[in-house]
Amino acid sequence: QQPVQSPQAVILREGEDAVINCSSSKALYSVHWYRQKHGEAPVFLMILLKGGEQKGHEKISASFNEKKQQSSLYLTASQLSYSGTYFCGTESGGYQKVTFGTGTKLQVIP
Amino acid sequence: EPEVTQTPSHQVTQMGQEVILRCVPISNHLYFYWYRQILGQKVEFLVSFYNNEISEKSEIFDDQFSVERPDGSNFTLKIRSTKLEDSAMYFCASSVHRDNSPLHFGNGTRLTVT
Repeated sequence: QQPVQSPQAVILREGEDAVINCSSSKALYSVHWYRQKHGEAPVFLMILLKGGEQKGHEKISASFNEKKQQSSLYLTASQLSYSGTYFCGTESGGYQKVTFGTGTKLQVIP
Repeated sequence: EPEVTQTPSHQVTQMGQEVILRCVPISNHLYFYWYRQILGQKVEFLVSFYNNEISEKSEIFDDQFSVERPDGSNFTLKIRSTKLEDSAMYFCASSVHRDNSPLHFGNGTRLTVT
């Protein structure tokens, strides 16, 4: 079953922060995060491997709450280049498969 | 940096025709995938492949679809008897490991069925 992301869309001014959430109805083994710019392929941002793990990538970081089957992506001091659609991808263990979430469209304006 | 390459970038075909979408995964990657995305919507899993066999497939991946690794570098998706609803962007991806490994995507093939 497809993970659900919230919000569906968000508009930020440069320098503002945002949080994107990803929830799954299935127990999660790991969570990936990808960004897709219009007309391009998804690009890997980071992967979180166990409950409670947090990771950072420039001013983008993420957390994974294994118990709640949720992950959050944090974007701080947003830049114009952060615009795009963000997808979480989940693995439930034992399968060669990443299931992508519903997506969150992020637009950063000057 | 090595990349996944896909050809063609755009394919137009008539309903009922067969198409073959081609992919060259990153050379040291062993695990391969096809995903599709209908006009800016969600990225849907179709199939995963390892060691010349399908590992997982979704409900979408029915008898109309097949995958093959015909040689040491190419990975293909064949769609038989295409339908209008097969119009989508098809992405190939590869990874180093089966689990917990980033997916590296190609730039996609836009398939238009008329």
